[in-house]
Formats: sequence, C-alpha cells, structure tokens
Amino acid sequence: AQSVTQPDIHITVSEGASLELRCNYSYGATPYLFWYVQSPGQGLQLLLKYFSGDTLVQGIKGFEAEFKRSQSSFNLRKPSVHWSDAAEYFCAVGAGTGANNLFFGTGTRLTVIP
Amino acid sequence: KAGVTQTPRYLIKTRGQQVTLSCSPISGHRSVSWYQQTPGQGLQFLFEYFSETQRNKGNFPGRFSGRQFSNSRSEMNVSTLELGDSALYLCASSLEVGTSYNSPLHFGNGTRLTVT
Repeated sequence: AQSVTQPDIHITVSEGASLELRCNYSYGATPYLFWYVQSPGQGLQLLLKYFSGDTLVQGIKGFEAEFKRSQSSFNLRKPSVHWSDAAEYFCAVGAGTGANNLFFGTGTRLTVIP
Repeated sequence: KAGVTQTPRYLIKTRGQQVTLSCSPISGHRSVSWYQQTPGQGLQFLFEYFSETQRNKGNFPGRFSGRQFSNSRSEMNVSTLELGDSALYLCASSLEVGTSYNSPLHFGNGTRLTVT
C-alpha cells in the first residue's frame, strides 16, 4: 500500500535562507509524486510533479524536488525563501494510472522569520 | 481560465442533518475528485467521478455520496451528519480520469463544514 511520511511537522527558517522539506514514500512500483502547498483558508496548489525521467524536477515559485529511488525520497528545496512562502506543504504519491486517489503526507508547516 | 469553484465556502449543520456541497471544475476538465481534510486524519480521498460515473472510491461510509452532471459539475452529499464529519472538503479536477503527467489534480479552496 502507498504511504507518505513527512517527518518534520514544523520548520522555521529565516527569509533568504535555503529550505529543504523532507518526504519519504512507500510504493511498490515507480511512483507518481507531487508537492502541494496550502495557504491558510485556501485549497492546495500544485508546486511540482514527478512521473519519470529526470530525477530533478523544477516547479513554480522557484521550488525544485529531487527523486531518489534508493532512498524512497522526494525532498522539496528552495535556495532562498521569501516571506510569502510561509504555508503548509504536502507531499503526495499517486495510486497509479486510472485513479486520482492521492495519498498525502501529514504536511510540514513552514514559518518564515524576517 | 477560472479555477475549481466550490460552494458554499462555509456551512454549519446540526448532527443528524444532511448536507450537499457543490463543485465546478476547471473548464474542459472532465474528472472531479473529492477529499476530506481534518487535523486528525489529514487529507483523505473520498471518490472520483468521470463521465457521470463514480470511478474510484475511498474508505468512507455510505453516508458519503456524490454525483456528477453532464457538464462535469459535481456534488457530494453527506447524510446523517456526525460531529466527526466536521472538516474541510476539497474538490479537485483533472482533464481525464486517473493521474497522469498532463492531467494532475487542481484543487479548489474547499468548503468548511462544521457539525454541531
């Protein structure tokens, strides 16, 4: 069965510092992986996705993620955090073709201090 | 292009009542999925509709149901509301049924349901 672990519940970084949010997945085959961001009172916005090919994936808002099969990880990174990046970040794994049921991690809340 | 639209944004209901939530997908999207988000259980998949047919279903009781209309708009219904049904209900649409690179899920802002 698919599952996602986000080991960090809450991370605080200074504006301008680099960021890495961790995500580990469990899936038997090649996973479909996603990162979504949720601001307070809002829905989820897709940051980036991985299906196959290049293991370094570029997304919106300057985010990137690297798929590492050997570590079952899909960590999200940003070289320089902006105050507007403060939000909750969710990693998700897809159930495979033919289904839109994503399995989400519990989320990491990001606080950015000036 | 307008995003996924969910109405209403907020609802307060009493235990035992029923509720209907509405979702309009992005224009051209034919698949609609519903998720429940709670602090305790996180984000959980409810069901997916495509071409007016339920294609996939999560592990929720039969009190949770949905439907999709010919214009791809969708509604979900929860009957005999329980306190534990209090949650943010998120609707998401995609071009086609199932996950694919060119057809990822796009989420609406949700309907916040409070059951008292």
